[in-house]
Amino acid sequence: QSVLTQPPSASGTPGQRVTISCSGSSSNIGRYTVSWYQQLPGTAPTLLIYSNDQRPSGAPDRFSGSKSGTSASLAISGLQSEDEADYYCAAWDDRLSAWVFGGGTGLAVL
Amino acid sequence: QVQLQESGPGLVKPSETLSLTCTVSGYSIGSGFFWGWIRQSPGKGLEWIGSFYYSGSTYYNPSLESRVTISVDTSKNQLSLNLTSVTAADTAVYYCARYQDYFDPWGQGTLVTVSS
Repeated sequence: QSVLTQPPSASGTPGQRVTISCSGSSSNIGRYTVSWYQQLPGTAPTLLIYSNDQRPSGAPDRFSGSKSGTSASLAISGLQSEDEADYYCAAWDDRLSAWVFGGGTGLAVL
Repeated sequence: QVQLQESGPGLVKPSETLSLTCTVSGYSIGSGFFWGWIRQSPGKGLEWIGSFYYSGSTYYNPSLESRVTISVDTSKNQLSLNLTSVTAADTAVYYCARYQDYFDPWGQGTLVTVSS
C-alpha cells in the first residue's frame, strides 16, 4: 500500500485529454512539492513534472501538473500512442522522514 | 550532461549482503545535490532507499535503515549501496538518481535477484 494513492490504470484514445490523480496527506503533498515521472516499458523513470507544475526542458507541453491541498494531478492533452507508460507521483513525507511515491498508473492508449 | 550507471552482481544469496555501485559522469558528486538509491520490485512501484548529501550526510528510509549503508568515493565519483541480510523481498531493479526537490537524472537501473 503506497503512501500516495494513484489509480492503477487509466486509458484514452488518441487526441483525448486524460488526467491522473495523486492523493496524499498533510505530511507530504500538503506541505511539499510534487514531481511526476514517466516510465516507458523496460526503461528507467524520467522526470516529467517538478515543483507541482513545472516542465523540464524536453518534456512535451502536452503534459501539465497541478496541486491543490493534499492532492495533485497530471494532465495529458492530445494523447499520443507514445504516451503509453506508467506514471508515478512523488513527494517528501516529513512524518515518515522519507521520500514517498504513488503506486503508479498504467496509461493505455486505445 | 549528467549520467549515472549502476553496476554490481545480478544474483545475491539470501542472508548475504547486496553491494552496488553507481558511477557518475558529467558532474562531481562532491559539488552539490543529494545522490540516492531507489528500487522497484518486479511489477511494483518505487521505493526510496536512502541518499548521500554532497556535504557528507546520509539519510535512510526508516523501513530499511537497520540494513542499509550508503557511501561515496569522491576520487572515483561513485556512490555505493550496501544492503545486509537480504531476502527474496529485496529482489528488485535498483536505480541511482541525483535529486534536490525531484529526482533527475536516473541511471538505467540494475536487476538484483535474491535466490539460493
